[in-house]
Amino acid sequence: DQQVKQNSPSLSVQEGRISILNCDYTNSMFDYFLWYKKYPAEGPTFLISISSIKDKNEDGRFTVFLNKSAKHLSLHIVPSQPGDSAVYFCAASHTGANSKLTFGKGITLSVRP
Amino acid sequence: ETGVTQSPTHLIKTRGQQVTLRCSSQSGHNTVSWYQQALGQGPQFIFQYYREEENGRGNFPPRFSGLQFPNYSSELNVNALELDDSALYLCASSFPGQFYTFGSGTRLTVV
Repeated sequence: DQQVKQNSPSLSVQEGRISILNCDYTNSMFDYFLWYKKYPAEGPTFLISISSIKDKNEDGRFTVFLNKSAKHLSLHIVPSQPGDSAVYFCAASHTGANSKLTFGKGITLSVRP
Repeated sequence: ETGVTQSPTHLIKTRGQQVTLRCSSQSGHNTVSWYQQALGQGPQFIFQYYREEENGRGNFPPRFSGLQFPNYSSELNVNALELDDSALYLCASSFPGQFYTFGSGTRLTVV
């Protein structure tokens, strides 16, 4: 029973263009959403988060959008850089940022120079 | 400020054996969680400890157990290893209400 779904396993984008990574969830109790980035041989690194009381959160080149009615969130990276090439995990919780996180399977982003 | 460190980085065990994985939390973090990441999957929550008490558990059998010590370091113990236990085991620490900082993980292979 996958409560957090990242249906596209990979995405390839040209440097300088926008990367849009999508995530869907099924559990309406989730109220906090996070994106983590993972390079090979490293642990996941926190990127950006959003609470369910917001519909947008921005941090530099990264913006997360939340559509609660559709149970959908997306991560926008603009402009994309080759160093952004990594696996991106969407995660959700219903009791805050450091309670049990439910992760999606991840999306491998490749940014072509 | 040191991050989350895990040991060992890799190990190979035989089915039926027991294993202990170790984690040193980031300085000052009093909450630690363990996750299992199987190949091609996202991390799955095993359990969380807060001030040495188990504070939540995922859908894992009792042969997965843990400890948190007064210095907030932690251990994950797995008994009676099965082939499906082969995975990357991630430790993460945080302050209450803050996002997790993850370690680089321990790659466990069960043969």
